[in-house]
Amino acid sequence: AQTVTQSQPEMSVQEAETVTLSCTYDTSESDYYLFWYKQPPSRQMILVIRQEAYKQQNATENRFSVNFQKAAKSFSLKISDSQLGDAAMYFCAYRSAGATTGTYKYIFGTGTRLKVLA
Amino acid sequence: EPEVTQTPSHQVTQMGQEVILRCVPISNHLYFYWYRQILGQKVEFLVSFYNNEISEKSEIFDDQFSVERPDGSNFTLKIRSTKLEDSAMYFCASSRELYSNQPQHFGDGTRLSIL
Repeated sequence: AQTVTQSQPEMSVQEAETVTLSCTYDTSESDYYLFWYKQPPSRQMILVIRQEAYKQQNATENRFSVNFQKAAKSFSLKISDSQLGDAAMYFCAYRSAGATTGTYKYIFGTGTRLKVLA
Repeated sequence: EPEVTQTPSHQVTQMGQEVILRCVPISNHLYFYWYRQILGQKVEFLVSFYNNEISEKSEIFDDQFSVERPDGSNFTLKIRSTKLEDSAMYFCASSRELYSNQPQHFGDGTRLSIL
């Protein structure tokens, strides 16, 4: 069974600085997808970035980028130029590429709470 | 931008009572999911639904749980006889296609409190 581990329950970053949130996972599959979701106090889970395992190039979305190390099964999220609005709970999620059941459930990590200090 | 909407935002129910959580997925989405998040813990998969039937369910989704798409827009989660441990945030999600790189879109969640 796949597992996702986020070892940092809480992180803090000064406004305008860079922070990296870590995520590791375990799987025997070779093809899968990884996601970072943000959950602000408003509760809604918002997609931040996604990575296809078959792509070597790290995904980037504006100030958000990932460091995907497939061999190490590591998928960290880097937030550059942190803003107050980035404060939230961040969840790493794994999703199989091949589904025998016809749908693709997410497996989530326990989350990292990010505080942004003014 | 279309959103997944969930009602109510907060539901308080006596233990043993039935509760129905409602979700309106994004209109052109075909795949629907329920997740739950016990306070302070990770988000856990409950069930996935496609073509009017359950595609996959977790061990959490026992006989007390059921899902239904009663019409073309709503997707409901019913808990028949609630227990204290059912207290959690319940998230509905939907996705458009059966391609695994398509992200799921989540609703705001329903906070269920069992007394």
